Amino acid sequence: SQQGEEDPQALSIQEGENATMNCSYKTSINNLQWYRQNSGRGLVHLILIRSNEREKHSGRLRVTLDTSKKSSSLLITASRAADTASYFCATDNDYKLSFGAGTTVTVRA
Amino acid sequence: DAGVIQSPRHEVTEMGQEVTLRCKPISGHNSLFWYRQTMMRGLELLIYFNNNVPIDDSGMPEDRFSAKMPNASFSTLKIQPSEPRDSAVYFCASSHTGVDEQFFGPGTRLTVL
Repeated sequence: SQQGEEDPQALSIQEGENATMNCSYKTSINNLQWYRQNSGRGLVHLILIRSNEREKHSGRLRVTLDTSKKSSSLLITASRAADTASYFCATDNDYKLSFGAGTTVTVRA
Repeated sequence: DAGVIQSPRHEVTEMGQEVTLRCKPISGHNSLFWYRQTMMRGLELLIYFNNNVPIDDSGMPEDRFSAKMPNASFSTLKIQPSEPRDSAVYFCASSHTGVDEQFFGPGTRLTVL
């Protein structure tokens, strides 16, 4: 069952702009992870944020986590055409990842 | 490292036929996952192995689905008999401990006619 729900479902931006997507979930979590999926490919892990962390950075990615609101956001700064993909949040409870439906991001050149 | 390897990449079969999907996890990873991805249901965990032992198969849709992990470097997911509603992309993933990041294979796109 899908625990995380991403918003928006789709996002179209110009190269160089920032992209922000949100994830809401229902039950308590250990960690929250973000993955990227290029068309026709497997998922690639982007970042893991633990329940006791509020913010994490990795390159052009910034993830926030608000456990009181049960929500997370992923910010991609200075987007590139190669960032065009679907982005999924996944909440984990021990080994079990529950994925949302994803946000499809299109970066226009 | 070659990453998680899955075969075949594409499989087209007729209803009623047996289908076997294969996965080689990353060497040294002790956890292996099989997922199914469809437009309607998104990504669903089918089964989780830890140290070659099935820990959670609650996501396996029905008895037509079975999975094995005879050793640390190989796993199979079998569907017998296959049905059109089994059409999906099946992913294998592995992780070092089971509670950290998962590394996904390229997937097998299954079409059952």
